[in-house]
Amino acid sequence: QQQVKQSPQSLIVQKGGISIINCAYENTAFDYFPWYQQFPGKGPALLIAIRPDVSEKKEGRFTISFNKSAKQFSLHIMDSQPGDSATYFCAAPLRNSGNTPLVFGKGTRLSVIA
Amino acid sequence: NAGVTQTPKFQVLKTGQSMTLQCAQDMNHNSMYWYRQDPGMGLRLIYYSASEGTTDKGEVPNGYNVSRLNKREFSLRLESAAPSQTSVYFCASRLGAGSLYEQYFGPGTRLTVT
Repeated sequence: QQQVKQSPQSLIVQKGGISIINCAYENTAFDYFPWYQQFPGKGPALLIAIRPDVSEKKEGRFTISFNKSAKQFSLHIMDSQPGDSATYFCAAPLRNSGNTPLVFGKGTRLSVIA
Repeated sequence: NAGVTQTPKFQVLKTGQSMTLQCAQDMNHNSMYWYRQDPGMGLRLIYYSASEGTTDKGEVPNGYNVSRLNKREFSLRLESAAPSQTSVYFCASRLGAGSLYEQYFGPGTRLTVT
């Protein structure tokens, strides 16, 4: 089964700073690595995702960097804002098959302070 | 278009009581999932249904049962609740079983077992 190990568990960043969250996975055969964002009292929602055939994907202030050889992918939040304060989860497919659910990391609680 | 809905939003049970958590989606999605979220543990998959008529165990299925009632509805049953089942439960759905599809989450059910 796929395992995803996420770090750090919590992160405090000054407004305008860069937030970096890391995720390590085990199985190199997978084809999709998403990040989900969850605000208090809400369900998680897809933030950004990457396929392993590219090394980086950027959407606004959010960037995923993918290092296939190290089996790691990272979320970078540039110019972090208080509104980015949330819990972030990385995820990966549970099994190496087309019919598979996602398993999630343990989450990173991000606090952006002014 | 309500997306994924869950009932109830909150529930308190005594040890040994039973209850069913309801989930419905109106996006014509084929696959549905139940997760539980506990502090420091992230989102853990309980059961899933890749398509109508099928169900499979996830990471933490013990103490739970599920029913895929039809394409729209996927319920989670606790036959004899235990304090260890105190958690926030999230239902999710996605269009296809393949991992490339975005997963949509409901707002969650906060369950306390005393």
